[in-house]
Amino acid sequence: QQPVQSPQAVILREGEDAVINCSSSKALYSVHWYRQKHGEAPVFLMILLKGGEQKGHEKISASFNEKKQQSSLYLTASQLSYSGTYFCGTETPSYGKLTFGQGTILTVHP
Amino acid sequence: SAVISQKPSRDICQRGTSLTIQCQVDSQVTMMFWYRQQPGQSLTLIATANQGSEATYESGFVIDKFPISRPNLTFSTLTVSNMSPEDSSIYLCSATTGENIQYFGAGTRLSVL
Repeated sequence: QQPVQSPQAVILREGEDAVINCSSSKALYSVHWYRQKHGEAPVFLMILLKGGEQKGHEKISASFNEKKQQSSLYLTASQLSYSGTYFCGTETPSYGKLTFGQGTILTVHP
Repeated sequence: SAVISQKPSRDICQRGTSLTIQCQVDSQVTMMFWYRQQPGQSLTLIATANQGSEATYESGFVIDKFPISRPNLTFSTLTVSNMSPEDSSIYLCSATTGENIQYFGAGTRLSVL
């Protein structure tokens, strides 16, 4: 079942902060976050594993609430380059397979 | 990390024909996948490409329509068979490293007339 992302879209000015949420109805092994710009490949941002381990870009932070099967991506001091569609991908104990949310469109204006 | 090359990057095909998309990874990876993405929408997993054996398909996708090969650890192909306009989409290849991080190719934009 597809995880649910919120909000569907967000518009920011440079320097503002944003939070993107991802919620699943299934028990999760990990949550993966990607950013995709128009016409390009999804780019890996962060992986959060059950048990607390995280791997990803230094300038991006995220959280994973294992009990609630929820994850949040925190974008601080946004830059124009942050614009794009953000997807969360959830991994159940069926190792390796990701189910992606519907995406959150982030637009950063000067 | 892994760099994934897909070709062709785009194609326009006639109804009833087939197209084979190639995916090459620059390093050994554990798993390879094929996704479909309609413009402006999410990624839908088609199948897991298994090395040396039949791919594992997700619900709604069948081998006769989307045959997949993975002859070695770093190469896979997806064929879209007997195409119809409904097959027009972006097809993406991905691969997972030993750190369980999945990397994506830039995709193949397919238009079926």
